[in-house]
Amino acid sequence: GENVEQHPSTLSVQEGDSAVIKCTYSDSASNYFPWYKQELGKGPQLIIDIRSNVGEKKDQRIAVTLNKTAKHFSLHITETQPEDSAVYFCAASLTNKLIFGTGTLLAVQP
Amino acid sequence: GAVVSQHPSWVICKSGTSVKIECRSLDFQATTMFWYRQFPKQSLMLMATSNEGSKATYEQGVEKDKFLINHASLTLSTLTVTSAHPEDSSFYICSANTQGWSNTEAFFGQGTRLTVV
Repeated sequence: GENVEQHPSTLSVQEGDSAVIKCTYSDSASNYFPWYKQELGKGPQLIIDIRSNVGEKKDQRIAVTLNKTAKHFSLHITETQPEDSAVYFCAASLTNKLIFGTGTLLAVQP
Repeated sequence: GAVVSQHPSWVICKSGTSVKIECRSLDFQATTMFWYRQFPKQSLMLMATSNEGSKATYEQGVEKDKFLINHASLTLSTLTVTSAHPEDSSFYICSANTQGWSNTEAFFGQGTRLTVV
């Protein structure tokens, strides 16, 4: 089955800097790759997603890139703000079943 | 986006009792819902896929007799933790997909914190 690895597990940046989180997946058939932000005690919230027929997608300060050949995808957050501090999860899916990465705790220092 | 609501948001129960958690899609119909469990500082682990009108599909290692899932309507799935024990204490989260939006976009509930004492 699908296996998703995520790095780093923790990431601390200064406000205004960029943050990059990387994930790799094992099943080349996976075709949907969402990123979620989870705040303490809450459910995950979708922040951006990308499908296998697209190499890059951007939404304001957030962007995701996908390299199907290498089976990895990355989340890029620019101009980070303290409210970006949270746990971020990547996931991979083929048939609606999401397999999550291990999570990255992002801390944005004011 | 679509809204998924879970109830209760937290529950404390005694060891040996059963607890029911509800997951509702508020503004769309969901033929499929998913149940996840999340331990502190860990990722979401898929427990089962809930299918409206049919039996749930459980992931390997998840006891179907302990975690009873019922998906009786297109807007409601329930997870019942039977004979709960302290090791069942966890954060339980559901998600739902809408065929009308996209086949793979999932919307998550706010989660239920279960504490078994």
